[in-house]
Amino acid sequence: EVQLVESGGGLVQPGGSLRLSCAASGFTFSNYWMSWVRQAPGKGLEWVANIKQDGSDKYYVDSVRGRFTVSRDNARNSLYLQMNILRAEDTAVYYCAREGGAGYSLDLWGQGTLVAVSS
Amino acid sequence: QSVLTQPPSASGTPGQRVSISCSGTTSNIGSSAVSWYQQLPGTAPKLLIYNNNQRPSGVPDRFSGSKSGNTASLTISGLQAEDEADYYCSSYTSRTTLLVFGGGTELTVL
Repeated sequence: EVQLVESGGGLVQPGGSLRLSCAASGFTFSNYWMSWVRQAPGKGLEWVANIKQDGSDKYYVDSVRGRFTVSRDNARNSLYLQMNILRAEDTAVYYCAREGGAGYSLDLWGQGTLVAVSS
Repeated sequence: QSVLTQPPSASGTPGQRVSISCSGTTSNIGSSAVSWYQQLPGTAPKLLIYNNNQRPSGVPDRFSGSKSGNTASLTISGLQAEDEADYYCSSYTSRTTLLVFGGGTELTVL
């Protein structure tokens, strides 16, 4: 089955760190750009970061640049998001998504993992 | 405030035709393809339209997309109860943030 499964979310204190993982299966992971997208409670979608097939190019939304790092391990079919210096406004469900269609479209999404930043 | 502007809500009765707009600028919609996503309550988003007007396999042809200048639209023909969901547009942007979304439109089927 073609799917993405996120893990690693949880409750963390402001200033803390968390590493999210996304396990891909059912397709050739190394052929695709991959993205992280988040959704704060009751709010809309916000693109966070993406990474090229071989990991050589990475892009970030301004609000996380310098704090978050996206990476991947094609041998393990896995995508990661290292989140440091977390803030309350980073509280959200984090989705990993595959950039599979034309025009930067995200054609496959995981179920999401909740990150809550609170003291 | 989102980079792309969508109406916060829309509604229609079963069988009606409903359109949702998505307004941007020359830095995003005006120079790049638009995608649309459907998010049913409590679930992950699902790609509905890509490349302005293309439907992924499995998406009913009741859903269609269009783009003119800096504005895109999603049209649902023959509205059904199961179409009640949040809808988001997105586009590449030439700014420092690579991909932007609209604020979302909550569609209610009356």
